[in-house]
Formats: sequence, structure tokens, C-alpha cells
Amino acid sequence: DVKVTQSSRYLVKRTGEKVFLECVQDMDHENMFWYRQDPGLGLRLIYFSYDVKMKEKGDIPEGYSVSREKKERFSLILESASTNQTSMYLCASIQFGGSAYNSPLHFGNGTRLTVT
Amino acid sequence: GENVEQHPSTLSVQEGDSAVIKCTYSDSASNYFPWYKQELGKGPQLIIDIRSNVGEKKDQRIAVTLNKTAKHFSLHITETQPEDSAVYFCAAPGYSSASKIIFGSGTRLSIRP
Repeated sequence: DVKVTQSSRYLVKRTGEKVFLECVQDMDHENMFWYRQDPGLGLRLIYFSYDVKMKEKGDIPEGYSVSREKKERFSLILESASTNQTSMYLCASIQFGGSAYNSPLHFGNGTRLTVT
Repeated sequence: GENVEQHPSTLSVQEGDSAVIKCTYSDSASNYFPWYKQELGKGPQLIIDIRSNVGEKKDQRIAVTLNKTAKHFSLHITETQPEDSAVYFCAAPGYSSASKIIFGSGTRLSIRP
């Protein structure tokens, strides 16, 4: 079974702090994603990476950056945390099937971040 | 643009009854349709999926049906049990871009004892 591990289940940070959310997958997947999940807004894509050192913006990249130095690890960085970034953050990976996504996403259990 | 509409947003059924959740998509190029279940405190997990070359797929109490002409697919849960209480998401991935993995807004299913 694919395992996607997020390093923290809960985080509490202060406004202005730099925050790192870490994600590791163990199935050699090329593609990794960071989503944000808020009540009533569903899953929104922040950033994704299709290869080491490669990244693309998703739907809501403002205030975030990412790092992918190794294939198995994808980090989400909040450069200066703000209260409106309080949310559940979900990491996922997928085995890209050629020209289309035709396999499931594998999600971690999420990091609930509170910014005070 | 591409869109996935999921209904209903909340659903409450008596234990033992059936539950049906429906998603409608707009991208005719989509050919893979997964359903995810998210339990409290966990990330979404795949429970069943279907590809465009079949119309129905079953796995014990869970089934998914696909109507490509009408561009909708549905999740059917029969003989519901308390452990079926969760949030369910559909998705309709597109081609060549992660931004085209579009999720429905989710359905909170509650099973009444």
C-alpha cells in the first residue's frame, strides 16, 4: 500500500512565523500535491510538483511556496503565516499515467494548522 | 471551464437503507472517476473508481454507475452501516495538468441508528 506521511497532525503557529509542512511518500510517485481543505470550500490545490525541483502553481498559491529536493519529499512553506491560513492541509501523490490522470490520489492524514 | 457538481451536500439515512450521491462533470475528455471517503481526522481514501469503458462497478455494498452521455456518475451504498458515516468526494481528472483533477464539494453522510 502507498503511504503518504505528513510529519505533523496539529500545528499552532504565531502570525508572521515561517512554517514548514512536510510530506513523504514511499511509492516513487512522480506527482505530489498540496491541498487546502476548508468547510464549504472543498479541496483547493495550492501547488503541485511533477518531478524533483519542478513545481507549478495551483488555484490558491498566494502566501505559499514549495520545495521538492528529493522525489519522495514535498514541503509546503508559509513564508509569513497569517490567520487566514488557518486550515487543514492535505498532501497527496499519484502515479501519472501517461497523458491523463487515470489512477487515484493517495492522501496523507492531514495537518491541521492554527495561526494565532 | 471544467466543473464537477456534487449533490447532495448533506445526506441522512436510516441504518440499513441505501444512500446515493451524484456528481456531474463538464470535461468530456475525463475517463477516470474515483470516489473518496474521508473519515473524521483522516485524509480522503479511495473507496471505488470507474473508467469510461464500463457503466457500472460493484464492490460489496458499494457501487458506482457512469453515464458518459449525460456526464454524470453516482455512488450507491446499500445496507448502510454506522461506519459509512463520513464525507464523500467525487473527482473527475482531466488531461496533462494537475489543476484538472477537480473535486466535488463533498457530501456529509450521516447514518441514523
